[in-house]
Amino acid sequence: EPEVTQTPSHQVTQMGQEVILRCVPISNHLYFYWYRQILGQKVEFLVSFYNNEISEKSEIFDDQFSVERPDGSNFTLKIRSTKLEDSAMYFCASSGGQGFYNEQFFGPGTRLTVL
Amino acid sequence: AQKVTQAQTEISVVEKEDVTLDCVYETRDTTYYLFWYKQPPSGELVFLIRRNSFDEQNEISGRYSWNFQKSTSSFNFTITASQVVDSAVYFCALKESGATNKLIFGTGTLLAVQP
Repeated sequence: EPEVTQTPSHQVTQMGQEVILRCVPISNHLYFYWYRQILGQKVEFLVSFYNNEISEKSEIFDDQFSVERPDGSNFTLKIRSTKLEDSAMYFCASSGGQGFYNEQFFGPGTRLTVL
Repeated sequence: AQKVTQAQTEISVVEKEDVTLDCVYETRDTTYYLFWYKQPPSGELVFLIRRNSFDEQNEISGRYSWNFQKSTSSFNFTITASQVVDSAVYFCALKESGATNKLIFGTGTLLAVQP
């Protein structure tokens, strides 16, 4: 069964460093997303991506964040200068389209720890 | 404004008991979609079910059942004869129609099933 994969599973970084979180969405999906979950809290939407551009972003997704689809399979989230409050689980998701029958399938997450 | 409320933060039951997880949502859209996701201790998010706002037919799937009541803006989830493997955090999520694809999650309910 196709699935979303994410690497690394756990990333530890120093405050101020850049990190890149990687995702491989399900191969025939067209919509890609990043969400984050601060420990013990709810899952929050960051950004959605379609047709090689951002289609929607939340207030959390400020200038420190960027997304890219560098090739036909990967989808990345970059945080330019990490802050302590960026520590969270980051989930990538993909869907085949919009609307009812296109539920989002989530990857296993990358736990980011900023020291 | 859109919002999902899961008032139960933690529920503990003994194996084989039935348990219902509550979800109340707010939206101004007349067309919207509701989802339940499961997050086991391993951390991934597993899609369980979707419903659209026009489909108030409740469903039973094995030990799982869902009760969608538009009049009270509720989308409750019941596990019959709970098992230890059901122990997880359960998230209810809302997606409005239109151009947005983002999922709005509730704060989750931690279900602990004791042997």
